[in-house]
Amino acid sequence: DQQVKQNSPSLSVQEGRISILNCDYTNSMFDYFLWYKKYPAEGPTFLISISSIKDKNEDGRFTVFLNKSAKHLSLHIVPSQPGDSAVYFCAASAPYSGAGSYQLTFGKGTKLSVIP
Amino acid sequence: KAGVTQTPRYLIKTRGQQVTLSCSPISGHRSVSWYQQTPGQGLQFLFEYFSETQRNKGNFPGRFSGRQFSNSRSEMNVSTLELGDSALYLCASSQAGSATNEKLFFGSGTQLSVL
Repeated sequence: DQQVKQNSPSLSVQEGRISILNCDYTNSMFDYFLWYKKYPAEGPTFLISISSIKDKNEDGRFTVFLNKSAKHLSLHIVPSQPGDSAVYFCAASAPYSGAGSYQLTFGKGTKLSVIP
Repeated sequence: KAGVTQTPRYLIKTRGQQVTLSCSPISGHRSVSWYQQTPGQGLQFLFEYFSETQRNKGNFPGRFSGRQFSNSRSEMNVSTLELGDSALYLCASSQAGSATNEKLFFGSGTQLSVL
C-alpha cells in the first residue's frame, strides 16, 4: 500500500520553462511534507518543505503547493536550469505513536531532465 | 560541519553472507535512520535509533538489524543475504527525530550488490 505516490516517473522540460512535479498521498495523518533532490551516486538532499497548516512555501526558484482536501502537493521550479536535472522525491511524515520518533514515507521519485 | 558519513561506499557480497554497514551522523545529531533504495521503489524505511535505542522499525524481515553506539554512530547488519537485498542503503541523521518538522540529512549511501 503506497501512501505517497509520484505518478510520473520522468519529466522533460526546456531550460527556462517551469517544471511541475506532482505528488499524492493517502494518509490523512501526514502533517509535514518535504521534497528531496537526488543526483546519481549521492544521497538525497533536502530542497523545500511545507507544514500542513500552510498551502504554499517559497524558496527562491522553488515553490511547494499543498492542497489538503485533494491530498496533493506539487513542486514548481521556475525557471528550470540544466543543473536541476535529478531525481526528485516527495516525502511525508506523521507523528509516530511510540516514543516520539517519526519516519519519512517517500514516493518513488520523478526523474527531471532539463534540456538546454 | 561534516555531513553524514557512510562506509563503505560499495560492497559486493554473495548470497548467504552477512554484511555490516556503518554510519556517522552529523555532530550533535542524536537520531539516526536507515533507508533502503531499490530501482523504481523509492526509499523504504528500515529503522530509527535514538540514544542507543531502536524507536521505530519498518516492515523488513528480522535479517535486518541495527544498533547505535553512545557517540550516536550507527551500524546496520544484514544476515543471510539474498539477491533482493541488492540496493543502496542510506543513513540519515537529525537532531532529535521527535518533531514532525525535522529534516533528515542523508549520507551518500552504501551500494550493496549481492551475487
